[in-house]
Amino acid sequence: QQQVKQSPQSLIVQKGGISIINCAYENTAFDYFPWYQQFPGKGPALLIAIRPDVSEKKEGRFTISFNKSAKQFSLHIMDSQPGDSATYFCAASGTARQLTFGSGTQLTVLP
Amino acid sequence: DSGVTQTPKHLITATGQRVTLRCSPRSGDLSVYWYQQSLDQGLQFLIQYYNGEERAKGNILERFSAQQFPDLHSELNLSSLELGDSALYFCASSVEGYTQYFGPGTRLTVL
Repeated sequence: QQQVKQSPQSLIVQKGGISIINCAYENTAFDYFPWYQQFPGKGPALLIAIRPDVSEKKEGRFTISFNKSAKQFSLHIMDSQPGDSATYFCAASGTARQLTFGSGTQLTVLP
Repeated sequence: DSGVTQTPKHLITATGQRVTLRCSPRSGDLSVYWYQQSLDQGLQFLIQYYNGEERAKGNILERFSAQQFPDLHSELNLSSLELGDSALYFCASSVEGYTQYFGPGTRLTVL
């Protein structure tokens, strides 16, 4: 009930390409869906987040698409750059506010 | 820099020992969350404190405990350490509960 499933586990994209990471959740009580970016040796950093009352949110090259009926959401990184190479985590939280994380996607952007 | 500080950065200890990890939240943030990141379990929520009081517990072992002090810094105490406790421990802070800012983490190695 509390799981967030994330795919793919790893992703290799050419510079300038689009990176797409998908997540699915089970708990319909979740009402906040952030994405975090983590570089080696660093803590997760909030990238972008969405509430279920909107279907899409865009910030710069990063877009979250949200499908409430399917209980799925995804991160799109447009014009991917080598500096985007990192591990990306989707997460979800409900009234208790603690984050339930997906398993992570290791993104490599080739120059 | 998220504004959340954690000490120490690295900790190496032996099985059976006890350690204390420290976290200072961002100025003004009343909530502190502790998370454990390991290769096999991923990022998992341990415990949350709000203004000195325990708010929520996740997958925290009985050997682990935490507290939040009047100045809002928090400590995570890990006792009777086992090899499997080796992990990265992150704290995060938040003012409103949704947006959580993560510290740089403490890498614990149990030998």
